Amino acid sequence: AQTVTQSQPEMSVQEAETVTLSCTYDTSESDYYLFWYKQPPSRQMILVIRQEAYKQQNATENRFSVNFQKAAKSFSLKISDSQLGDAAMYFCASGPSGSRLTFGEGTQLTVNP
Amino acid sequence: SAVISQKPSRDICQRGTSLTIQCQVDSQVTMMFWYRQQPGQSLTLIATANQGSEATYESGFVIDKFPISRPNLTFSTLTVSNMSPEDSSIYLCSVESRLADNEQFFGPGTRLTVL
Repeated sequence: AQTVTQSQPEMSVQEAETVTLSCTYDTSESDYYLFWYKQPPSRQMILVIRQEAYKQQNATENRFSVNFQKAAKSFSLKISDSQLGDAAMYFCASGPSGSRLTFGEGTQLTVNP
Repeated sequence: SAVISQKPSRDICQRGTSLTIQCQVDSQVTMMFWYRQQPGQSLTLIATANQGSEATYESGFVIDKFPISRPNLTFSTLTVSNMSPEDSSIYLCSVESRLADNEQFFGPGTRLTVL
């Protein structure tokens, strides 16, 4: 069984500043993936970034990067130079390749101008 | 990437009726999933839609309540049967694309309100 925990129901950041969203997980799988999804009010789930658990190097996508600590089962998302369009609900998720995802409870991010 | 469409985008239904939601993908995919997102909550997997065989349901979800079809590699339907207000949720279809390095893509969702 897998569990994903996001301990921050809400976060806020000033425009152009940096914010980090936390996520911890637990899994019995040896091969799995970790994801951060963004869900704006339109409710469309948008993949922000993904990390293969077997890769030690932290994934980066432009202003988005992760801090993946496999031993601690931690997978945090850092958003640099925050923009108003980054405001959304962010979900952390985990799952084996080719299989179902388990989602965390979500973190509502507000970006203040 | 895979482009996914869902129909309807939203609906308001009466208690006791059923609604079928369609999910169409623009390319052949192996894995298709149906998720439910209750108001203000996270996503919960309902079932994995298997092509040519019965869907695989998660704990707490049963075929009689959520029958699923998947006649081919690009299409699936989810029916919400005998609806009650507790079924009011967003229902999302997702697919895993091996062409996109096993990335999972989501449809736009169907917002269901049961009165």
